Parts: sequence; structure tokens; C-alpha cells
Amino acid sequence: AQKVTQAQTEISVVEKEDVTLDCVYETRDTTYYLFWYKQPPSGELVFLIRRNSFDEQNEISGRYSWNFQKSTSSFNFTITASQVVDSAVYFCALSSGPGGSYIPTFGRGTSLIVHP
Amino acid sequence: DGGITQSPKYLFRKEGQNVTLSCEQNLNHDAMYWYRQDPGQGLRLIYYSQIVNDFQKGDIAEGYSVSREKKESFPLTVTSAQKNPTAFYLCASSIGPNTEAFFGQGTRLTVV
Repeated sequence: AQKVTQAQTEISVVEKEDVTLDCVYETRDTTYYLFWYKQPPSGELVFLIRRNSFDEQNEISGRYSWNFQKSTSSFNFTITASQVVDSAVYFCALSSGPGGSYIPTFGRGTSLIVHP
Repeated sequence: DGGITQSPKYLFRKEGQNVTLSCEQNLNHDAMYWYRQDPGQGLRLIYYSQIVNDFQKGDIAEGYSVSREKKESFPLTVTSAQKNPTAFYLCASSIGPNTEAFFGQGTRLTVV
């Protein structure tokens, strides 16, 4: 079975603060894929990043960065110098196989509120 | 533009009625999914299809049905057997099951 835990239900910050969204995953498979998605108020989920289990290199994209640590089964997401437009619900997802058949399982999401 | 189109955006259903939510994609993706989103619950998988004419139950398939007669289309029917259908429904597609998914804008279903 595969599981994703996003323990932070809601985070509130003031603009320009840095914020880290936590994601802890569980899987018995050695091959798996991790994802982050953003859901703005409009409702449509937007893909942010995909990482496979064999690539632990951290990634930076503008103000966004991701820290993948297999030792702690975590795939955390940091937004640097947050902006009001970052306000959204963020989902972490995991797909693994063959037990999970590579069908993605989502966490419960973290609602980020950035105040001006 | 390529993408996923869900319709309608808002849907109201009387108790005891079946309703069908539409999902169409022109991305030439093989895999399609239906998720249900409730406040604080995240996304829960209802059904998925990895190829035309084949689909599998997800975690909460009871009270729902789907079909996949065409690659582009994956409609979801919410039947009267679904006791608590009020929710936000999201359709998604992907090249394959381990690749990123593209989502539609969702359908908000309310039972009146």
C-alpha cells in the first residue's frame, strides 16, 4: 500500500516570508514517483514537479525548491519570498508499483495563505 | 488549445436521480482518472482507465459508474446509490500512470 501524509492542514504567512510544506510518504516499492501540485481558488490542479526514487538531487525553480530525502521518506517543498499569488492548496502525490500499479495517491493537501 | 474539459461546472441533482459528468481530453493521453474532493479529505480516486474499453475501480467506486468507449472521453455517472454525492469532482489524464497528470477545472455537484 502507498500513503502520503501532509501533516500541515493550513499555513498562514506574511508576504516575503519563506515557507516549507512537508510531505512524508510510505511505499514498499523501490521504484516510485513523487509529485507536487498547486490548486488555486479556481479549482484546477496544476502540476509543479515530478521526481523519481532514483534521483535524490534537490531542485530549484525560481522561488520554488524541493528537498527529497529517501532516508526520512520526505519530499518537502519550499517557497522563498512568498507572494500573495502563492495562496493555494498544495498537494503532494505518490505513485508506486506494482502494488500501487503506479496510480497516484494524494495527500490531504496543505492550504497556504499569504497575507499582503 | 490542448487540455481537459469538464462540464458542467456546477450541477444540481435531486435525490434519487442519476447524473453524468463529462470529461473530454485532446492530449492523446492513454490514462484517465476521476477523483472526488471533499474539504479536508484531499483527492480520493473513484475510477481510472489506462486504455480504451478498460477501467478499474479506485478507492471509493461504490455508487459510481464510468465508461471508456473513446480515448478522448471518460464520463462519470453518479448513481442514486451514492448516498453522499455532494462534492467537487476532478477529472485528469496522463500519458501513463507514473507521469504527471493534467486536470480539468472540476464539476461541483450539489444534491438538492
